[in-house]
Amino acid sequence: QKEVEQNSGPLSVPEGAIASLNCTYSDRGSQSFFWYRQYSGKSPELIMFIYSNGDKEDGRFTAQLNKASQYVSLLIRDSQPSDSATYLCAVKKASKIIFGSGTRLSIRP
Amino acid sequence: SQTIHQWPATLVQPVGSPLSLECTVEGTSNPNLYWYRQAAGRGLQLLFYSVGIGQISSEVPQNLSASRPQDRQFILSSKKLLLSDSGFYLCAWSVEATDNEQFFGPGTRLTVL
Repeated sequence: QKEVEQNSGPLSVPEGAIASLNCTYSDRGSQSFFWYRQYSGKSPELIMFIYSNGDKEDGRFTAQLNKASQYVSLLIRDSQPSDSATYLCAVKKASKIIFGSGTRLSIRP
Repeated sequence: SQTIHQWPATLVQPVGSPLSLECTVEGTSNPNLYWYRQAAGRGLQLLFYSVGIGQISSEVPQNLSASRPQDRQFILSSKKLLLSDSGFYLCAWSVEATDNEQFFGPGTRLTVL
């Protein structure tokens, strides 16, 4: 079992709709969770981090954490073509951050 | 503000040749530093991390090595490259005290022929 699992996609969402990206993790003791966006050929950039159960909102982005289910999600409201990218889920384990393999998101006009 | 630099941006090397990739961080002290590799269409594989000068932890057995000669300098090396070493190499840093979110450099795209 992978430590951090994501559906590789591609996930296709119409412009203006809500994109929902999901991630599960195996280490129940994980404390910190991150979402990164990576455009093709570029390095990942941090979008959001979340530590506590529940929702955390930042602009059009909402991160959701459910530690009992070991589940993290990212919602993108009012999806734009510029949101088309690969989204990486990451989980902190001891001194390291473990990344999932990413979900490719495509926003169709 | 903090910035992280990597060079070179792209590199094409023959099999069996040596490698040296450099990463430097500005605007912070005592950062934790990381080297990742990303193969085409794949996730990030942690190669090495360092919590201080001369302190290197290796995550996977391989023909690569890392060194941290100065607080804000992290070097990835190989004596003899393999075809399987091709990929996108990313350096990242995090704040030492909290060691939470990581920030990535622009990356080096290495092609071994």
